[in-house]
Parts: sequence; C-alpha cells; structure tokens
Amino acid sequence: AQTVTQSQPEMSVQEAETVTLSCTYDTSESDYYLFWYKQPPSRQMILVIRQEAYKQQNATENRFSVNFQKAAKSFSLKISDSQLGDAAMYFCAYRSGGGADGLTFGKGTHLIIQP
Amino acid sequence: KAGVTQTPRYLIKTRGQQVTLSCSPISGHRSVSWYQQTPGQGLQFLFEYFSETQRNKGNFPGRFSGRQFSNSRSEMNVSTLELGDSALYLCASSLWSPDTQYFGPGTRLTVL
Repeated sequence: AQTVTQSQPEMSVQEAETVTLSCTYDTSESDYYLFWYKQPPSRQMILVIRQEAYKQQNATENRFSVNFQKAAKSFSLKISDSQLGDAAMYFCAYRSGGGADGLTFGKGTHLIIQP
Repeated sequence: KAGVTQTPRYLIKTRGQQVTLSCSPISGHRSVSWYQQTPGQGLQFLFEYFSETQRNKGNFPGRFSGRQFSNSRSEMNVSTLELGDSALYLCASSLWSPDTQYFGPGTRLTVL
C-alpha cells in the first residue's frame, strides 16, 4: 500500500516570506499523481496544485510551486510571498494512475502566517 | 459552475441509528468519492462511484455503504452508528476516474 509522510506537523512563516512544506511518499508504481490540498478553518478542502509523475517539469500555480523529485519520492510545496489567507492545514496526497484506492493523504502540516 | 454540495452540513445522531448523507457533484462530473476525516485517523478513503458503479472501496466495515444515481448524485449510508463514526465526511467529484478531485464542504456527523 502507498504511504504519504509529512514530517512537519506545524510550520510558521512571516507574512511575505517563503516557506517550503515537505512530503515524501512510498510507492512501487510508476504511474501516479500527486496533489497538495489546503484546508482552512472552514474545513473546505481546496486543491492547490497537481503533479503527474510522468512529467519532469515541476508544476506551478501563481505563488505555489512544487519540487518533485521522483527518484527520491519527494514532493515539496513552496509558497512564495506568504499571505495571511494562506494559513491553513496543508495535505499532501497520492493517487495511483490506475485509480485504485482513491487519494492517500498525509497527516497534514499546520501552516501559521505571522503578520 | 457550482461546486460540490453536501447535505446536511451538520448532523447529530445517537448510537445504533442510521444516517444518510448526500453529495451533488460539479455539473458534468461522473465520479464521486467519499472520505472520512477524524483527528485520530486523519483522512481515509471510503469508496468511489463512477457511472453508478462502485469502482473502489476503502477499508471500512460493511456498515458503510453508498450509491450513485444516474444524475451522478451520490449518497452514503452508515447503519448502526457507533461513537467512533463521529467525523467530518467529505465528498469529492471528478470528471472521470482517476482525475483531479474537487471537494465539497463536508458533513459534520456527531454520534452521541
């Protein structure tokens, strides 16, 4: 079974600074997808960014970018110019390309933005 | 486009009762997945439906069941509720399976 590990239960960053959230995963598959989701206090799970394993280019969405290291099975999220609205729980998630088992989530990282 | 909607948003039940939660996917999405979120176990996959057929199932007891209708709306049912079933139940939809999943606001179930 696949596993997703987020080693940082909590991170704190000053507003306008850059922060990187870590995620590692374990899989024997070659075809899969990786995601970062954000869950603010409202509990609504919001998609931040998606990465296909077959793509070598790292995904970017505005201030959010990933560092995808397939050989190391690492998928970190970089948030640039942090804003107060970025404060939330961030979950890293894995899904098999074959679609079995739905999304496998990490335990999450609580991101605090200091004004 | 309207997002994923879930009803009800909050629910209080007692042990032994059963409950039905509803999820309406984004228009045009044919896949609906359900997840349970608890402080202890985190986010766990329950099951996925695609074109009215259960495509995948997580490691949950048979008390948890679901179905999908021809308009892609989905319901999940939990019978003989236990205290440990108290959780946030999240529904997610996608165009097809597997594809990027978009989540609803969740249903907060409290079992007393």
